Amino acid sequence: DAGVIQSPRHEVTEMGQEVTLRCKPISGHNSLFWYRQTMMRGLELLIYFNNNVPIDDSGMPEDRFSAKMPNASFSTLKIQPSEPRDSAVYFCASSLEGTVRNTIYFGEGSWLTVV
Amino acid sequence: RKEVEQDPGPFNVPEGATVAFNCTYSNSASQSFFWYRQDCRKEPKLLMSVYSSGNEDGRFTAQLNRASQYISLLIRDSKLSDSATYLCVVNRGNYQLIWGAGTKLIIKP
Repeated sequence: DAGVIQSPRHEVTEMGQEVTLRCKPISGHNSLFWYRQTMMRGLELLIYFNNNVPIDDSGMPEDRFSAKMPNASFSTLKIQPSEPRDSAVYFCASSLEGTVRNTIYFGEGSWLTVV
Repeated sequence: RKEVEQDPGPFNVPEGATVAFNCTYSNSASQSFFWYRQDCRKEPKLLMSVYSSGNEDGRFTAQLNRASQYISLLIRDSKLSDSATYLCVVNRGNYQLIWGAGTKLIIKP
């Protein structure tokens, strides 16, 4: 079975450019998460969708970040304009019906470097 | 104080040894608990859930102590392939997973 699929795997971009990260969750999962991981701050939840609806976006750093989930099989995380401090690994993850009893599965991550 | 705290390590352990590390959490209402493993430059993957009565999966044993608010992971007969960062995860409810910063484990030949 295909896992969570993210693209691009690696991106290097210049400060000020728009970055779009993409995610395809595991088929049948109705919960989708975007996380950011850095050495300094560890894993941080950016936004959580349930049944394509954003439930909690309190982790989104600022207005430069936006996320959408137009359907059950696709989500995007956009950074506009990007800044060097946005350099991190961005993970998309999905699960079936939340996380209390269900495993959360991560994609391989999108490694973003903003120069 | 962080809601979930782990010793960052690294723990340097000879192959074949037993190693254990703990994770403390501050929210007494936490509902479920997990250990995830993350290899260098890879995504986190579930190692095991932690049940109230404790549970074992091969060489791995997880324990939960609700009174003292900590969970533990014990690895017996450690292998070189066990080298990784082990993330403690506490679920406050529904989707609210709180991640520890991880404990780095290095198994030496």
